[in-house]
Amino acid sequence: EVQLLESGGGLVQPGGSLRLSCAASGFTFSNYAMSWVRQAPGKGLEWVSHISGSGGSTYYADSVKGRFTISRDNSKNTLYLQMNSLTAEDTAVYYCAKGAVTTDWRYFDCWGQGTLVTVSS
Amino acid sequence: EIVMTQSPATLSVSPGERATLSCRASQSVSSNLAWYQQKPGQALRLLIYGASTRATGIPARFSGSGSGTEFTLTISSLQSEDFAVYYCQQYNNWLTFGGGTKVEIK
Repeated sequence: EVQLLESGGGLVQPGGSLRLSCAASGFTFSNYAMSWVRQAPGKGLEWVSHISGSGGSTYYADSVKGRFTISRDNSKNTLYLQMNSLTAEDTAVYYCAKGAVTTDWRYFDCWGQGTLVTVSS
Repeated sequence: EIVMTQSPATLSVSPGERATLSCRASQSVSSNLAWYQQKPGQALRLLIYGASTRATGIPARFSGSGSGTEFTLTISSLQSEDFAVYYCQQYNNWLTFGGGTKVEIK
């Protein structure tokens, strides 16, 4: 069974940093691109970042470019999101999501349950 | 950025009835559109991709149609487990999601 389990969320002060992790199982992790998608309280979904299966290609939403860094460790089947210079606008549930097919990362066939990040003083 | 607009925001439907959800793109996304289901406390579930192709394991009562800027998700006969929030997502030009349609019990 394909599973994604996020961790690392919590309360952080404005300007602070946090690193999220997503542990993957049930599929060949290195074959699939992965993304982070977030959902602010009571709001819709916002794609945040993408990383290719090898880790050699990354993309970011303009709202997080220069502040967030996506990475992966294929030996540990784990996806990461390093978040720096956090603001209240970054408060959201963060989901990791698996690209549905090896040839197209742009839609997602498996999502984690999410981890809540709250930025507040 | 392509803006995705879903309507209605809330749809009240009786079990066994048909539900029709709409999604409009601010510019053409061809057939690069997916639909997802979100239930409280559960992971999002891919229903449809390529505007009309059901994902693995999705019941036939779910169908998607449309291309360009106008898309529809139809649930032919609502079951109790179908009451949820539904999101469309375009992937023609980066990725953007609609605001969601909540399908509630009438």
